[in-house]
Amino acid sequence: QVLLVESGGGVVQPGRSLRLSCAASGFTFSRYAMNWVRQAPGKGLDWVAALSSDGSNEYYTDSVKGRFTISRDNSENTLYLQMNSLRGEDTAVYYCARDGGIAPSRSDYWGQGTLVTVSS
Amino acid sequence: DIQMTQSPSTLSASVGDRVTITCRASQSISSWLAWYQQKPGKAPKLLLYEAFRLQSGVPSRFSGSGSGTEFTLTISSLQPDDFGTYFCQKYNRYPLTFGGGTKVEIK
Repeated sequence: QVLLVESGGGVVQPGRSLRLSCAASGFTFSRYAMNWVRQAPGKGLDWVAALSSDGSNEYYTDSVKGRFTISRDNSENTLYLQMNSLRGEDTAVYYCARDGGIAPSRSDYWGQGTLVTVSS
Repeated sequence: DIQMTQSPSTLSASVGDRVTITCRASQSISSWLAWYQQKPGKAPKLLLYEAFRLQSGVPSRFSGSGSGTEFTLTISSLQPDDFGTYFCQKYNRYPLTFGGGTKVEIK
């Protein structure tokens, strides 16, 4: 079965960096585009970034452009999100999600999420 | 960027009721719309895509309609397990924007 497991969250001071990972299993990872979606406490869903199946095309929401980088290692079936210059408004649960069709597409499988708290 | 607006933000209904949630796009997105259900502390779950296609395993009481800028999610007969927050998402092009959500409470 498809499984996505995020890790790497935690408490970090403003201005610092953090790298999230998403380990994928149960499907051919290299064939699917992937996304990061976040949810601030008590708020709605906020799409953050997407990456094509081969890693050649990256897409970001405006608020993270220049600070976050999405990447993948298809040999390790892992998706990453490098987050630099973190701000308080980046505090959220971060989910990785698989594109269900030809990108861009709906997200048909989601991980359980990892919490990132940006606070001094 | 295209904005997605959901209404209502909250609704309370009884078991067996027919429930409708609306999602409006600020520009046409054809039928590139998905609906998700999220329960507290859990990841979202895909219900429908391409506005009306039911995701595998989702009960048939869920249905979707619309195209262009106006879409609806309908639950034909609300069940106790249908509580949660529902989100629409457009995916015609990046950025992939979500609506603000509709919290469904069971009376």
